[in-house]
Amino acid sequence: AAGVIQSPRHLIKEKRETATLKCYPIPRHDTVYWYQQGPGQDPQFLISFYEKMQSDKGSIPDRFSAQQFSDYHSELNMSSLELGDSALYFCASSEWGGNSGNTIYFGEGSWLTVV
Amino acid sequence: QQQVKQSPQSLIVQKGGISIINCAYENTAFDYFPWYQQFPGKGPALLIAIRPDVSEKKEGRFTISFNKSAKQFSLHIMDSQPGDSATYFCAARSRETSGSRLTFGEGTQLTVNP
Repeated sequence: AAGVIQSPRHLIKEKRETATLKCYPIPRHDTVYWYQQGPGQDPQFLISFYEKMQSDKGSIPDRFSAQQFSDYHSELNMSSLELGDSALYFCASSEWGGNSGNTIYFGEGSWLTVV
Repeated sequence: QQQVKQSPQSLIVQKGGISIINCAYENTAFDYFPWYQQFPGKGPALLIAIRPDVSEKKEGRFTISFNKSAKQFSLHIMDSQPGDSATYFCAARSRETSGSRLTFGEGTQLTVNP
């Protein structure tokens, strides 16, 4: 079965640079979520989109932005990178997020290292 | 402020034993409680989930027990195996937010010794 696809899997950037992460949800999933997970920590919700509109916003820094495109893929743009942004970034997808019982499936994650 | 509190932080169990992980929540708007299993460098994978109108759900060796009045739920892994060694996260989801984000507990690192 198709899963959530994230790219790139690994990314090394210098401080103050910009990074873009891409996410391709499971086919027919219309809701996309972004999470950030630091070492030894639980995933922290950043932002979500339903039908290309932002549906919920969590602890996403102002330096970060995201959008969902017409083909439902999503991109997370991170600017003015800081050392503290180094983390594993997960994209997840589900059928309509308004139904809390719909399973949320996670991708394998994108490792961002800021040096 | 952690909305879902999970314990213990780490757990060591012998092969064949029972692993028990506990979670508690405060937000009564939560109405869906999944458990995720995560291996190092991998994404969380859904293990089992429960709604608050059910007190127990069993799937194979995994059982969720849910106590609505106490706002607590737990994961029991029967006949624990070394392959179960992973980090386990309880989570909760609210019907009130349209994006319906998952809120995770702090995680439990489970080690099953052979």
